[in-house]
Amino acid sequence: AQSVTQPDIHITVSEGASLELRCNYSYGATPYLFWYVQSPGQGLQLLLKYFSGDTLVQGIKGFEAEFKRSQSSFNLRKPSVHWSDAAEYFCAVDSSASKIIFGSGTRLSIRP
Amino acid sequence: KAGVTQTPRYLIKTRGQQVTLSCSPISGHRSVSWYQQTPGQGLQFLFEYFSETQRNKGNFPGRFSGRQFSNSRSEMNVSTLELGDSALYLCASSYGLAGGSYNEQFFGPGTRLTVL
Repeated sequence: AQSVTQPDIHITVSEGASLELRCNYSYGATPYLFWYVQSPGQGLQLLLKYFSGDTLVQGIKGFEAEFKRSQSSFNLRKPSVHWSDAAEYFCAVDSSASKIIFGSGTRLSIRP
Repeated sequence: KAGVTQTPRYLIKTRGQQVTLSCSPISGHRSVSWYQQTPGQGLQFLFEYFSETQRNKGNFPGRFSGRQFSNSRSEMNVSTLELGDSALYLCASSYGLAGGSYNEQFFGPGTRLTVL
C-alpha cells in the first residue's frame, strides 16, 4: 500500500536560515509527488509537484524539492526562510487509484 | 477566476444530528474531492466525484456520503454525527480526475465542524 512519511512533526528554524523538510514515500512505481502548505485556518496550497524528468523541482515562494528514487525521498528545501513561511507542510503522493495520500505534516516555526 | 468555495465555514452540531456541507469548484472543473483533517488522523481522503458519479472512495463508514450536481457543485452529508466527526472538511477541485500529470487539485478553505 502507498504511504507517505514525514518524520519531523515540528521544526523550528531561525529567519534567514536554510530549511529542509523530509518526506519518504512507499510506492511501487514512479509516483506523482506533491508538497502542499497550509496556513492556520486555511486550505492547502500546492507548492510544487514532481511527475517525471528533472529530479530537482522548483516551486512557488522560493521552494524546491529533489526526488531521489534510491532513497524513496522527496525532501523540500528553501535556502533562506522568511517569517511568513511559518505554516504546516504536507508531502503527498498520488496513488494509482487517483487518490492523494498525505503525510502527517510538519509544522514549521520561525525564530526571529 | 474565483477559487473553491465551501459553505458554511463553521458549524456546530450535536451528536446524532446530520449535517450537509457544500463545495463549489473552480469554474470549469469537473472533479470534486473531499478530505477530512483531524489532529489525530491527519488528512484522509473521503471520496471523489466526477461528472456526477462517485469515482473513488476512502475508508469511511456509510454515514459519510456525497453527491455532485450537474453544475459540478458537490455536497457532503454526514448522518448520525459522532464526537469523532469533529474535523476540518476540505474540498478540492480539479479539471479532470484528481492527481496525475495535468489535474492539479485546488483546495477550498474548509468547513470546521464541531460535534458536541
